[in-house]
Amino acid sequence: DAGITQSPRHKVTETGTPVTLRCHQTENHRYMYWYRQDPGHGLRLIHYSYGVKDTDKGEVSDGYSVSRSKTEDFLLTLESATSSQTSVYFCAIRVYGQGGGVTSRYEQYFGPGTRLTVT
Amino acid sequence: DAKTTQPNSMESNEEEPVHLPCNHSTISGTDYIHWYRQLPSQGPEYVIHGLTSNVNNRMASLAIAEDRKSSTLILHRATLRDAAVYYCILRDDGVGDSGGSNYKLTFGKGTLLTVNP
Repeated sequence: DAGITQSPRHKVTETGTPVTLRCHQTENHRYMYWYRQDPGHGLRLIHYSYGVKDTDKGEVSDGYSVSRSKTEDFLLTLESATSSQTSVYFCAIRVYGQGGGVTSRYEQYFGPGTRLTVT
Repeated sequence: DAKTTQPNSMESNEEEPVHLPCNHSTISGTDYIHWYRQLPSQGPEYVIHGLTSNVNNRMASLAIAEDRKSSTLILHRATLRDAAVYYCILRDDGVGDSGGSNYKLTFGKGTLLTVNP
């Protein structure tokens, strides 16, 4: 267990309202990621962070913003939720695993997910 | 990003070995081959990874072709708890737009493994 939690686990909101999802980790890992998962698409990277206040875009970042003011928390914000953002959102952290070579040792561990419905 | 191709679904019987194939013909010399799986209603979990040599761990074995254009995840004795979607991923250790290394995982649709009792 890599000590990663997400909140809320379920949320229903209306179109046009702001929504913030929280990812919390307890082990001071530097890298954190936000993915969304939709039927037929697998998981797609939204944003990631490589340190406090250091973030970058993934492949589906439009309509989302993120913030990382401290190591343990990575927030995903939908400024004005739309029905197309109905999805399951997963947070992940990069942890030190086992394997050969320096960079090969970093694996991603995922949180339990947040199911967001925008009506 | 280099892509992978997997069968949409496979079936196995409990306590039998399962071989899950993955093709990655455009793999580059520095791409690591990763396997993750996702059990129903859970987030993905790491299974195994490798670069050139075959790898074994407590969960599975990874057999990598000599030319690295394909690989096979081997579950030695499938159990009902192994029923999941299995993802074969080539890990991108590139640099993002802001200059940070991203260690990205690009998920495809994976293989849905059904295990029959």
